Parts: sequence; C-alpha cells; structure tokens
Amino acid sequence: GAVVSQHPSWVICKSGTSVKIECRSLDFQATTMFWYRQFPKQSLMLMATSNEGSKATYEQGVEKDKFLINHASLTLSTLTVTSAHPEDSSFYICSARALLDRAEQYFGPGTRLTVT
Amino acid sequence: GDSVTQMEGPVTLSEEACLTINCTYTATGYPSLFWYVQYPGEGLQLLLKATKADDKGSNKGFEATYRKETTSFHLEKGSVQVSDSAVYFCALRSPYSGGSNYKLTFGKGTLLTVNP
Repeated sequence: GAVVSQHPSWVICKSGTSVKIECRSLDFQATTMFWYRQFPKQSLMLMATSNEGSKATYEQGVEKDKFLINHASLTLSTLTVTSAHPEDSSFYICSARALLDRAEQYFGPGTRLTVT
Repeated sequence: GDSVTQMEGPVTLSEEACLTINCTYTATGYPSLFWYVQYPGEGLQLLLKATKADDKGSNKGFEATYRKETTSFHLEKGSVQVSDSAVYFCALRSPYSGGSNYKLTFGKGTLLTVNP
C-alpha cells in the first residue's frame, strides 16, 4: 500500500513551453502533497506544500507564478512549469501525506525534466 | 534554520562489510529523525525513524540511534548485501513544522555501492 505515482517519468521540452507533472496517490487519500526539486548530487529541496482544495504554500525563493501547483482532489496534485528555461532542468519529486497516517510521507519515483 | 549534514559519498563496500553513514543535524527543539533509501529508478522509501532522544530505529538490518548530546543519527549495518546498493538520505522533521505541513529537511544523500 501507500503508493505514489508520477507522470511522466521523464520529459524533454523546448524553452518557453510549459510542462505539467502529475502526482497521484494510488491507494490512499492525501491531505497534503509536497513538491521537491533535486539537483545532481544535491539534497531534495522543498519547493511547495499543497493542501487539497486550497492554495499551495511556496518556500522562500520559489516563484509561484512559474511553478503552478494545483491540488484538485485527495489523490492528485499537479506541478506546471511555465515558460520553462534550461535552468529549470532538474529532477522533480512529489510526496503525499496520508489522511489516516498524518506523520508519514510517501514519495513518488520522480520526474526528470530536461529543457532544451 | 534546520539543517542536516551527512557524509559525502560515494561509499563502495564489499558484500558482508560493515557500514556506517554519518549524519548530524541542527534544529530547534527535539526533531524527529529519519533515514530514507532510494533504490535506482524508484522513489524514496522510509527505512527507519526515531522520534525522541536515545530511541533506536531499525529495519532490514539497519539501525540508527538518536543521540541528542552529539546531535547525530548515524546509520549502521553490520553486514551489507549487494541489494543494499542505493542512495541513503538522512532527514529531520522539526517539532515546529507540524500543523498541516510536517515538512522534512534532507541531507544531500550518500550513494552506497556494494560489490559482490
């Protein structure tokens, strides 16, 4: 149980375009989802926290207009990278906190974004 | 702010060797401490955790003890296997990040490779 999926697993897009990444909790309801960014040989950096039905809370230094987060249901959150640039190329990971196990976070496998 | 420092890798060991991955932290109050493991191509999985001083977390032969006096949570295993090859992340959750968020702060990760 407690499986989180991400789609796509990897994506290549051109500069200036937007790309959407989905994060789904497959077998549980998630009140909160987290979006992280991971650079090579670096730690996971929390970008934002999203609660179902409300606006996401962004960490300091993260542009909310560039990284749009929607958490429309208890099983789906999306991250849209708008007007992507090569410096947005990274590994994006989501995690979900279960409704019934509020302290535990379950992580997705990540999405590799390459902007050319 | 909160931070986690873990030993840089990569770490390469032979099967049945002993493993120690050091992790120290800086946080206000008494955080909960975690070790996550990321196998190739997969998401992060919780390996073990400890929520108060002197607690020992253990799982799959790995263990770590919450040492408040040295602000450490070193990961140990007496005899590693090839299947233990993965990236290991130390993390903390501040007691002040509760409410609806439960944010995690991660170390940079340590790549472990175990050779037969």
